[in-house]
Amino acid sequence: AQKITQTQPGMFVQEKEAVTLDCTYDTSDQSYGLFWYKQPSSGEMIFLIYQGSYDEQNATEGRYSLNFQKARKSANLVISASQLGDSAMYFCAMREWDDSWGKLQFGAGTQVVVTP
Amino acid sequence: EPEVTQTPSHQVTQMGQEVILRCVPISNHLYFYWYRQILGQKVEFLVSFYNNEISEKSEIFDDQFSVERPDGSNFTLKIRSTKLEDSAMYFCASSRTDPRLFFGEGSRLTVL
Repeated sequence: AQKITQTQPGMFVQEKEAVTLDCTYDTSDQSYGLFWYKQPSSGEMIFLIYQGSYDEQNATEGRYSLNFQKARKSANLVISASQLGDSAMYFCAMREWDDSWGKLQFGAGTQVVVTP
Repeated sequence: EPEVTQTPSHQVTQMGQEVILRCVPISNHLYFYWYRQILGQKVEFLVSFYNNEISEKSEIFDDQFSVERPDGSNFTLKIRSTKLEDSAMYFCASSRTDPRLFFGEGSRLTVL
């Protein structure tokens, strides 16, 4: 079964607009972490933001915020004020805690294209 | 800022040849990982390594694969006899005790 589901294969967004990337996850663990990574065309994986399952506040890092809805098992990424450099593939990922952190499991990704 | 470094950035090899991909994790990190990404597909977990032994491995990580930490700094992935389907980007990652993984820039492997 898919642990991480990203239903949007691709999105176009205009510069300066906000964009929301959807992510839902599946786990029966109480302790887990949710992540977003950015992969530009050059290929590297860049960590963007992290949300722990017990964190009550939504995580924010600069223009990135994570809209964490625990009951719905969703962890959407919001990018505010999009820039051309935000064009990239974005991956949602999860790690489950079971006496230690398990492997990082990725969704299929969403390709974002920012247009002028 | 410390980073994970990987070499080579790109390797082309013939089917059946052995390949070693090298990684230097962030110096005070304790956990090490290899992931791969076939072109256009999702990022897949291969193996995790802690305290000088494999802590978890995926179904992909069969007998053709091995990992080693030969000294205090390098972490290597060896593919003994490459197949066409091993062509992918291979990412090394490391972490300390918090859950974030830090990835290298990847090594692209092309098997002909």
